[in-house]
Amino acid sequence: GQSLEQPSEVTAVEGAIVQINCTYQTSGFYGLSWYQQHDGGAPTFLSYNGLDGLEETGRFSSFLSRSDSYGYLLLQELQMKDSASYFCALEGSSGSARQLTFGSGTQLTVLP
Amino acid sequence: GAGVSQSPRYKVTKRGQDVALRCDPISGHVSLYWYRQALGQGPEFLTYFNYEAQQDKSGLPNDRFSAERPEGSISTLTIQRTEQRDSAMYRCASGQERQRQETQYFGPGTRLLVL
Repeated sequence: GQSLEQPSEVTAVEGAIVQINCTYQTSGFYGLSWYQQHDGGAPTFLSYNGLDGLEETGRFSSFLSRSDSYGYLLLQELQMKDSASYFCALEGSSGSARQLTFGSGTQLTVLP
Repeated sequence: GAGVSQSPRYKVTKRGQDVALRCDPISGHVSLYWYRQALGQGPEFLTYFNYEAQQDKSGLPNDRFSAERPEGSISTLTIQRTEQRDSAMYRCASGQERQRQETQYFGPGTRLLVL
């Protein structure tokens, strides 16, 4: 089967940088995605790594190392609105073309 | 343009009743997924459609759950003879592959409560 591990909670202050790690076990996958979910809201796409290395999208960056079965999401210049749950998800790891298998999420709290 | 919409947003039903949950994907999106999300957890895959073809239903918990997408657009997830353990948020997502990547766009979900 597939499994993903990420910290359950992270706390940081406004303006800081935070890294949310994700380790996984799978027999094969297309890539690693990151989603943000605010309380009561829908998951929204943040970033995707199909290949090893760093992808940068504004204040958010994501990294993947297939050899280490490891990825992370880096959030810079934290803002209060970044307080949310962040999920890493393996894409296409369970047979279906682009099915997402999610981790259990990291609750990020940004303090003033 | 409009995002993914789902209806109803909330559904309260009694154990044993059938429920139908509707998903209206982003226009033109080929892929449609159903997920179920428990409180404090990530979404869990249920089933996947490519146009009108149900290509993967490996995540459906049992045969009380079924889904269809007859014209390759709107989809319905049906749960027959509901049980209390079916209570959860049911989310639909649609996607379109571009440059070998498919971003999935999630709808607001239907919160189902089975009494």
